[in-house]
Amino acid sequence: KAGVTQTPRYLIKTRGQQVTLSCSPISGHRSVSWYQQTPGQGLQFLFEYFSETQRNKGNFPGRFSGRQFSNSRSEMNVSTLELGDSALYLCASRPTGATNEKLFFGSGTQLSVL
Amino acid sequence: DAKTTQPPSMDCAEGRAANLPCNHSTISGNEYVYWYRQIHSQGPQYIIHGLKNNETNEMASLIITEDRKSSTLILPHATLRDTAVYYCIVRPFFQGGSEKLVFGKGTKLTVNP
Repeated sequence: KAGVTQTPRYLIKTRGQQVTLSCSPISGHRSVSWYQQTPGQGLQFLFEYFSETQRNKGNFPGRFSGRQFSNSRSEMNVSTLELGDSALYLCASRPTGATNEKLFFGSGTQLSVL
Repeated sequence: DAKTTQPPSMDCAEGRAANLPCNHSTISGNEYVYWYRQIHSQGPQYIIHGLKNNETNEMASLIITEDRKSSTLILPHATLRDTAVYYCIVRPFFQGGSEKLVFGKGTKLTVNP
């Protein structure tokens, strides 16, 4: 079974641009979460989607948004990029959205903002 | 903020047991202890979780003290591939269906040949 797939693996953007990152969960998984990882702040929760609905949201500005499609694939978008948005963006999926399900993470998209 | 405290780094000899401690003195009765690890250039990987009983799976054992204020993750025979950052996470049992994890800084475990 294929794991969580994130594309692209690396991305370079300039300040002010916007970016869209893609995540394909494990087949059959219906919940997708996004995390941001930086050297200073570590791993931080961005948001979680289940059946196309946002279920939870972390403490990030409105420039960060996401969505989930009917096939459970998810995208996250960052508008008006800032230098501080440079980070590894990780996507994780889990099967049913039930309590205490373990997360399966992808390898992430490394975003560099110049 | 993370509700756990872990040593920033530890070393272990290959083939020996690695014992990674975690302090969670403010844990509530309905909160679980989860462990994930992150190998360089990869996403975190689930290892094990528990509530109050000791747990064991094919990867590791989790020992939770009786007062639940601390726990230890045990890798019984560490290999070089176990070199990673290990995260201890306290997670409420009920999050309205959400699986938000609050990661701390973790412990960087280095397994030496």
